[in-house]
Amino acid sequence: DTGVSQNPRHKITKRGQNVTFRCDPISEHNRLYWYRQTLGQGPEFLTYFQNEAQLEKSRLLSDRFSAERPKGSFSTLEIQRTEQGDSAMYLCASSPRGVLGTSGRGNEQFFGPGTRLTVL
Amino acid sequence: SQELEQSPQSLIVQEGKNLTINCTSSKTLYGLYWYKQKYGEGLIFLMMLQKGGEEKSHEKITAKLDEKKQQSSLHITASQPSHAGIYLCGADGQGAQKLVFGQGTRLTINP
Repeated sequence: DTGVSQNPRHKITKRGQNVTFRCDPISEHNRLYWYRQTLGQGPEFLTYFQNEAQLEKSRLLSDRFSAERPKGSFSTLEIQRTEQGDSAMYLCASSPRGVLGTSGRGNEQFFGPGTRLTVL
Repeated sequence: SQELEQSPQSLIVQEGKNLTINCTSSKTLYGLYWYKQKYGEGLIFLMMLQKGGEEKSHEKITAKLDEKKQQSSLHITASQPSHAGIYLCGADGQGAQKLVFGQGTRLTINP
């Protein structure tokens, strides 16, 4: 399977602990996105990378959140000092937009299965 | 900022019936993306629409973008249990990279 993968799929933690999630995008995609989704809502944008550069961050991404994509391949999202309000599904997506040779000008993003975080 | 509103929020139909889900934007749409999500899972990309009046079909699902590019509809013909799930529309603004999503439409198919 060459789709987007995320690990772990589920994470239960106690308030105040740090957690880290990993995303492996589709290999030829140079753009990687993080979104957060709460129950009954659509995903909300958190941040995105083009290769290793983090180009945009949402105001939702407080100082406790940090994302990296050190070699332009996989990415990690870390949440420090977790709070109950951080409980959500964290989704990663990748896109081929901007890669030379890709057809079309669209921004179709391909999502992973998500990491469900529960903060007790 | 751009906002997307989907209607209805939930829909229950008998297997074999047709149905339509609408997505209305507060601003002109440059790219409109339809996704399907099973409960607790990631989003599956269905279709992308970019041009006013554009229509695309995949199996029994057809999506349209109206001429004024502020509304899209997703139509399912002869619904099947496999169509059940949450349908989400997403959009990117001019020059924007992130997608903004509607709140989703939960579709239930009764046998």
